[in-house]
Amino acid sequence: QKEVEQDPGPLSVPEGAIVSLNCTYSNSAFQYFMWYRQYSRKGPELLMYTYSSGNKEDGRFTAQVDKSSKYISLFIRDSQPSDSATYLCAMTRPGNTPLVFGKGTRLSVIA
Amino acid sequence: GAVVSQHPSRVICKSGTSVKIECRSLDFQATTMFWYRQFPKKSLMLMATSNEGSKATYEQGVEKDKFLINHASLTLSTLTVTSAHPEDSSFYICSASEYLNYGYTFGSGTRLTVV
Repeated sequence: QKEVEQDPGPLSVPEGAIVSLNCTYSNSAFQYFMWYRQYSRKGPELLMYTYSSGNKEDGRFTAQVDKSSKYISLFIRDSQPSDSATYLCAMTRPGNTPLVFGKGTRLSVIA
Repeated sequence: GAVVSQHPSRVICKSGTSVKIECRSLDFQATTMFWYRQFPKKSLMLMATSNEGSKATYEQGVEKDKFLINHASLTLSTLTVTSAHPEDSSFYICSASEYLNYGYTFGSGTRLTVV
């Protein structure tokens, strides 16, 4: 079992839809959870960063962490064509250790 | 927000030559920097972790003599691909973190093509 599992998609939705992306993980030592957006041929851009369990909202984006289930989610409301990208979940243990990434989910938002 | 500047963004070099990629943290002190390699439509593969003033820690299978990493200051890390070969062609990305700040920031990446 990989440390972090993420459905690679591709996922295609119409403009305005609510998008749900998620990852599961196996290492209970992970405390910090991130979602990155990566456009083609660009470096990943940090979207959301959450410590431990709970919800965090930033504009159209909501990140949820359920440590009891080892499950994290990213919701995108009112999706736009500009949201079309690959979304990577990532997580790490305390101590500035390397991130462990999911494989990434390719999202296309169709106008 | 935190910004990491990486360059060059693209480089083409001849087989057998060396290429240096720079990664700078512009508005914070990067106590730790990470170097990744990414193949098309694949996730990031960690190559090495470097802490300022220390030798880099390389992941299994990464040749430390081929991929030289220097992190001599809190704002600059470099990756030098020595004696490059076509199979080294890839997208290289750096990431930097400030001590106990877990919102790791990535550079924009360097596309290396070895001909």
